[in-house]
Amino acid sequence: EPEVTQTPSHQVTQMGQEVILRCVPISNHLYFYWYRQILGQKVEFLVSFYNNEISEKSEIFDDQFSVERPDGSNFTLKIRSTKLEDSAMYFCASNQGPLYGYTFGSGTRLTVV
Amino acid sequence: RKEVEQDPGPFNVPEGATVAFNCTYSNSASQSFFWYRQDCRKEPKLLMSVYSSGNEDGRFTAQLNRASQYISLLIRDSKLSDSATYLCVVETGGGNKLTFGTGTQLKVEL
Repeated sequence: EPEVTQTPSHQVTQMGQEVILRCVPISNHLYFYWYRQILGQKVEFLVSFYNNEISEKSEIFDDQFSVERPDGSNFTLKIRSTKLEDSAMYFCASNQGPLYGYTFGSGTRLTVV
Repeated sequence: RKEVEQDPGPFNVPEGATVAFNCTYSNSASQSFFWYRQDCRKEPKLLMSVYSSGNEDGRFTAQLNRASQYISLLIRDSKLSDSATYLCVVETGGGNKLTFGTGTQLKVEL
């Protein structure tokens, strides 16, 4: 069964440092997403990406966040200057289009110290 | 009203029981509805999409009532392996965004 792959599985970083979370979506999917889940809380939408541009973003996705599809397979989330409150599980997801179910990656647990 | 609201549970049921989860959503323009399952500290996994006509997948039945903005999931003959958190998920934003409920925790016991 096709998978969404995320690396690393766990990242610890110091406050103020930049982090890049990496994802390889399913190859024939066209829509890509980042979600996050703070421990004990619900899954929250960050951003959706289609046709090499952001199609929607949430209030969480401020100027400290950016996404990129640098080549035909990778999809990255960059946090420029991490804060303690950025500590969460970050999930990448992809699907074939609106109205289709999403496939989520296994997540990157980001810990900001 | 919260965008997607679920009873957090936990629901503790014996193996073989039938259990029902409910969910309400606030955005009447939403077009797609899903139930996901999430195991502890794992990614959400799609359990089933939910259609207006209702749909069934083995022991799982999902229903949607658009007029009441209400979604349900019924699990029959529950198994130990069904223990997880069940997430009600509603598409919003024209298909570009999913809004998750906080989840209902299910514990199936011997």
